[in-house]
Amino acid sequence: DVKVTQSSRYLVKRTGEKVFLECVQDMDHENMFWYRQDPGLGLRLIYFSYDVKMKEKGDIPEGYSVSREKKERFSLILESASTNQTSMYLCAIGGGYEQYFGPGTRLTVT
Amino acid sequence: QKEVEQNSGPLSVPEGAIASLNCTYSDRGSQSFFWYRQYSGKSPELIMFIYSNGDKEDGRFTAQLNKASQYVSLLIRDSQPSDSATYLCAVNVYSGGGADGLTFGKGTHLIIQP
Repeated sequence: DVKVTQSSRYLVKRTGEKVFLECVQDMDHENMFWYRQDPGLGLRLIYFSYDVKMKEKGDIPEGYSVSREKKERFSLILESASTNQTSMYLCAIGGGYEQYFGPGTRLTVT
Repeated sequence: QKEVEQNSGPLSVPEGAIASLNCTYSDRGSQSFFWYRQYSGKSPELIMFIYSNGDKEDGRFTAQLNKASQYVSLLIRDSQPSDSATYLCAVNVYSGGGADGLTFGKGTHLIIQP
């Protein structure tokens, strides 16, 4: 069974805080992805990584950064959280023919 | 700009009937096409993918791809109430340095009526 875990299911942070969302996989996949999902806007790609220390911007990278120091772990960083970053954040792993999602982190920024 | 379009629904189908979900995409370079199911409050789960023109069957599900017309569809036979969910269409464009992430449609909300 594919196992993708995310550090928190629910998170509440204040505006201006630095926020770390962590994703861990046990499948030894090279590729890891961060998406956010919002009502009416759907799932949108923020960043992805295809190897340790490698990263690529997705469709909406503004306000975010990522870190991948180890193959199994991919972190999404909100440098200074804002209310418009309130969303469901989903990590995924996989290759060209499959992507599997973690359970998601619902982040609320107040 | 890659775009994936789906009718948001809701699409209401009687139990036991065939549910037909459609999706169009804008990027002719798209190579792989995916259907995900998402229950309320849960993360998307992969149903199937297709990358060649034609039909691909997996149990009660059939994906159909027509690259010339840039559409992909999902048929669900013998629809069950448990099939009620939002169905997400996604496309992938492979780039040389590694796989791109997926571009998703906004999803079609399917309701199977008992």
